[in-house]
Amino acid sequence: QLQLQESGPGLVKPSETLSLTCAVSGVSLDLSGHYWGWIRQPPSKGLEWIGSVYRSGATYYNPSLTSRVTISVDTSKNQFSLNVTSVTAADTAVYFCVRLGEEYQPLLHFDLWGQGRLVTVSS
Amino acid sequence: IVLTQSPGTLSLSPGERATLSCRASQSVAFRSLAWYQQKPDQPPRLLIYGVSSRATGIPDRFSGSGSGTDFTLTISRLEPEDFAVYYCQQHGTSLLTFGGGTKVEIK
Repeated sequence: QLQLQESGPGLVKPSETLSLTCAVSGVSLDLSGHYWGWIRQPPSKGLEWIGSVYRSGATYYNPSLTSRVTISVDTSKNQFSLNVTSVTAADTAVYFCVRLGEEYQPLLHFDLWGQGRLVTVSS
Repeated sequence: IVLTQSPGTLSLSPGERATLSCRASQSVAFRSLAWYQQKPDQPPRLLIYGVSSRATGIPDRFSGSGSGTDFTLTISRLEPEDFAVYYCQQHGTSLLTFGGGTKVEIK
């Protein structure tokens, strides 16, 4: 069964880098034609797309975050990762890893979601 | 594209029909709109993609319609498990955006 699982620190200090990993099970990333991505949701607020990545390493980012965000893929570990630099309290959110809904489509709906990881930015 | 969902909260009873609106600030590309359901402490679940196609396992009481700037999610008869927050999302541009959500609560 295809599953996504986020992991990483739940607390990050202001100005530091937030790093999360999404482990993929049930499919091999280097054989999948899907794009994978990250979405975040501040407490009691709506959803914000962060970016998407392909097995080749090709990426698409939200323009409002592109200067601070890097999404990468490690097919040998069957996982992809998110780094957000210079974080502030505004980056406090539940971070979801996701799969884009059709193969070879970087900008689409999201058909599979991880359970989410709450990351709090605080000193 | 900014998506505005209305109403913010919809208070209905089980068995009633729910009509949720999603209005875009500019025309959404053909079939580039999806709907999600989110319950407390759970990730969103894809309900509808391509404006009107139901995702796998979604019951047929859920239906989507619309084009251009106006889209609708309809739940024909509310079941107890349908009380949740619903989001629309567009993917017609290089910036994927979500609406602010509509909460469907028990009256």
